Amino acid sequence: AQSVAQPEDQVNVAEGNPLTVKCTYSVSGNPYLFWYVQYPNRGLQFLLKYITGDNLVKGSYGFEAEFNKSQTSFHLKKPSALVSDSALYFCAVRPDSSYKLIFGSGTRLLVRP
Amino acid sequence: DTAVSQTPKYLVTQMGNDKSIKCEQNLGHDTMYWYKQDSKKFLKIMFSYNNKELIINETVPNRFSPKSPDKAHLNLHINSLELGDSAVYFCASSPRPPGLAGGDTQYFGPGTRLTVL
Repeated sequence: AQSVAQPEDQVNVAEGNPLTVKCTYSVSGNPYLFWYVQYPNRGLQFLLKYITGDNLVKGSYGFEAEFNKSQTSFHLKKPSALVSDSALYFCAVRPDSSYKLIFGSGTRLLVRP
Repeated sequence: DTAVSQTPKYLVTQMGNDKSIKCEQNLGHDTMYWYKQDSKKFLKIMFSYNNKELIINETVPNRFSPKSPDKAHLNLHINSLELGDSAVYFCASSPRPPGLAGGDTQYFGPGTRLTVL
């Protein structure tokens, strides 16, 4: 079955510290990988995507993610967290054989001042 | 200037009623989607249309029927509402279907919170 796992329900970091939000996937064929962010009572916003090419992808608001094929992972990172980064983060995968975007269960990021 | 808009924002209704949620995008996109987000924040695709043609039709109760009068609008009609239909429904759009240039970035509306009593 094609799936995405976000093993942490919540990640807590102090402002100014680096953050990592984990994501692993299971698909057949080539994966197209995405991160979206959801602020309270809002729709999802696109952060970044990996389609092909360089394994390190840079996105909006200083976020980046690294595609690791051997570990089937696509962890989201930021060198220095801001309180305003506090939100719900979704990893998603689209198998290359499908139109469908499959979302993980989401990870709540809480950045303490 | 809202890119993807949904109406209503909140919808409270009784079991057994029929209701519709409307979605409009002014981005000139060809492809639109409906997602359901349950109380645990789990997000799942329901339907997708490309230029008024259905391209994704997930296994959802046939009480749910999408309608796309033109490529800028995708409405969701729900018959005989049940308690389990309570969720937030998100509309989204992309320039083209996934896999084509620009098609893999989706733009989401603000959501419609449906509560069935």
